[in-house]
Amino acid sequence: DIQMTQSPSSLSASVGDRVTITCRASQSISSYLNWYQQKPGKAPKLLIYAASSLQSGVPSRFSGSGSGTDFTLTISSLQPEDFATYYCQQSYSTLGAFGGGTKVEIK
Amino acid sequence: EVQLVQSGAEVKKPGESLKISCKGSGYSFTSYWIGWVRQMPGKGLEWMGIIYPGDSDTRYSPSFQGQVTISADKSISTAYLQWSSLKASDTAMYYCARRDETLGWGWDYWGQGTLVTVSS
Repeated sequence: DIQMTQSPSSLSASVGDRVTITCRASQSISSYLNWYQQKPGKAPKLLIYAASSLQSGVPSRFSGSGSGTDFTLTISSLQPEDFATYYCQQSYSTLGAFGGGTKVEIK
Repeated sequence: EVQLVQSGAEVKKPGESLKISCKGSGYSFTSYWIGWVRQMPGKGLEWMGIIYPGDSDTRYSPSFQGQVTISADKSISTAYLQWSSLKASDTAMYYCARRDETLGWGWDYWGQGTLVTVSS
């Protein structure tokens, strides 16, 4: 099974900060990497698919990069509505695992 | 508008059976995989299994194989997740989601979640 490791598990940041979250796969997954945002009590929301493609309707301050085993989600200027938990997920395999999540909290 | 609408919250006792549902609308239900995700209280997301309603091809995560049954009724555009004998450890939020090949197999639409509480 392909394991997904996210770091950090949590971070504190201020509005306007640039935030970077990393995700590492235990083996190469090409660009089959997705990022989701989840707010408390809500379903996950797809932000980025295929490592770097922005899902329709998602603000351009979100971006993704990487291929192979190492990936990054960047929020260029953190907004109040961005405080949430973020998950990476590999779609290289049929039931592609999620990372453990990164909780972005207000500093 | 694409929507996945899940059945309401359930409170059950250990040993009871349960079937929850996920109804798709606004798209061709038989053309997309539907998956089920478990989220235990305060924890992350875990895939349980997926089904292709077009031909009922079903795959299970090893952790959930034999523990749950996933099915679909394409005549009413509805997928199901069922348990024959619930345990307290099945207490969780359960989400269904749609998988889109054109989005790198990303999961683009999600149900609102069904909270299952198992307690004596």
